[in-house]
Amino acid sequence: DAEITQSPRHKITETGRQVTLACHQTWNHNNMFWYRQDLGHGLRLIHYSYGVHDTNKGEVSDGYSVSRSNTEDLPLTLESAASSQTSVYFCASSEGGDGQPQHFGDGTRLSIL
Amino acid sequence: KNEVEQSPQNLTAQEGEFITINCSYSVGISALHWLQQHPGGGIVSLFMLSSGKKKHGRLIATINIQEKHSSLHITASHPRDSAVYICAVERVSNYQLIWGAGTKLIIKP
Repeated sequence: DAEITQSPRHKITETGRQVTLACHQTWNHNNMFWYRQDLGHGLRLIHYSYGVHDTNKGEVSDGYSVSRSNTEDLPLTLESAASSQTSVYFCASSEGGDGQPQHFGDGTRLSIL
Repeated sequence: KNEVEQSPQNLTAQEGEFITINCSYSVGISALHWLQQHPGGGIVSLFMLSSGKKKHGRLIATINIQEKHSSLHITASHPRDSAVYICAVERVSNYQLIWGAGTKLIIKP
């Protein structure tokens, strides 16, 4: 069965460190998204990609970067982790075209001390 | 004002009750999504609507495009329905979702 997997599921790191969260999907979807979820805010879009070598900023992109070198993977990098980036991160993918459901990974809980 | 508003924020009901969760939005959309997030954190897509009504088991979702309003109904509710239900709307032609804050539903046995 096709799936979308995130790793690690949990991570604790220190401020100033570079952190990369992995997202891998086997749906062969063109669209991939990274969200963060914090209490009182719901999900907020960090970055998204509509295909290989395409990346776009979402509403809360400062301090984050992504790259899309193939269809399956969209890693999210925190260049210099800050305590404000402690959150739960979700990766999602969808087919191209309007009105397609997004399939979500199980999330990565990231704590920055 | 948020572009997507859900109500209620929290809802506690007894097993067997009919549940309604509402979602209103203020932007032009190509589709509206209802998703479920369980206490373990996983997010599952329940419905995607662009018009009318959809039914899956005990779940029913409706949308009124003119009124910019959608409802999610659960019939014969069960404690395993306890979760956060999230409404998200897809902006016309850019695939991005605008998220509601979610409704936390607790069903007591």
